[in-house]
Amino acid sequence: DTGVSQDPRHKITKRGQNVTFRCDPISEHNRLYWYRQTLGQGPEFLTYFQNEAQLEKSRLLSDRFSAERPKGSFSTLEIQRTEQGDSAMYLCASSLGEREVNQPQHFGDGTRLSIL
Amino acid sequence: AQSVTQLGSHVSVSEGALVLLRCNYSSSVPPYLFWYVQYPNQGLQLLLKYTTGATLVKGINGFEAEFKKSETSFHLTKPSAHMSDAAEYFCALQGAQKLVFGQGTRLTINP
Repeated sequence: DTGVSQDPRHKITKRGQNVTFRCDPISEHNRLYWYRQTLGQGPEFLTYFQNEAQLEKSRLLSDRFSAERPKGSFSTLEIQRTEQGDSAMYLCASSLGEREVNQPQHFGDGTRLSIL
Repeated sequence: AQSVTQLGSHVSVSEGALVLLRCNYSSSVPPYLFWYVQYPNQGLQLLLKYTTGATLVKGINGFEAEFKKSETSFHLTKPSAHMSDAAEYFCALQGAQKLVFGQGTRLTINP
């Protein structure tokens, strides 16, 4: 069990640029989640995949944000035309299950995004 | 709507003292509740979870939590604090598939 892996750990970019983050879940986990955490706050849900299907998106996920999970393995989160307010820690989590909603989510170490 | 409230954004205790971190929730369905710990520049690590059954749940690192339906609470405790317990702690409620988190409590341990 190698855990959830996120890349890069840190990203600094200028306002208006596009950025893409990658998440590799625990290999046998079929569910993958993205959360955003701003300083001093708890994580907030962004979106969720079961296998390759994106099943839920938060209203926080504006049209500048897009997430994919091709082939139901790794996932990418892209932010286009970044804004100052996008500065945050982006956390990925994965879990196992079909009907069992109580399987705990395992988190990666996150990608910290800083917008200059 | 489901929500989680953590009472006290910052708790400070002496090494060896009791740790008590408070969490209250609101849910229209039977809740699944979790406590996570976050160390600086790291992700969240699961401490313990409550789904059904026994209301006193034991977790890692000597932590435990008690689910009290009548009080809609899920407070986290540890009998004796250790310096390594200094971190941010988050209470979370499972809503459908996503987790709903409280704002977190920063725990400081005084030597």
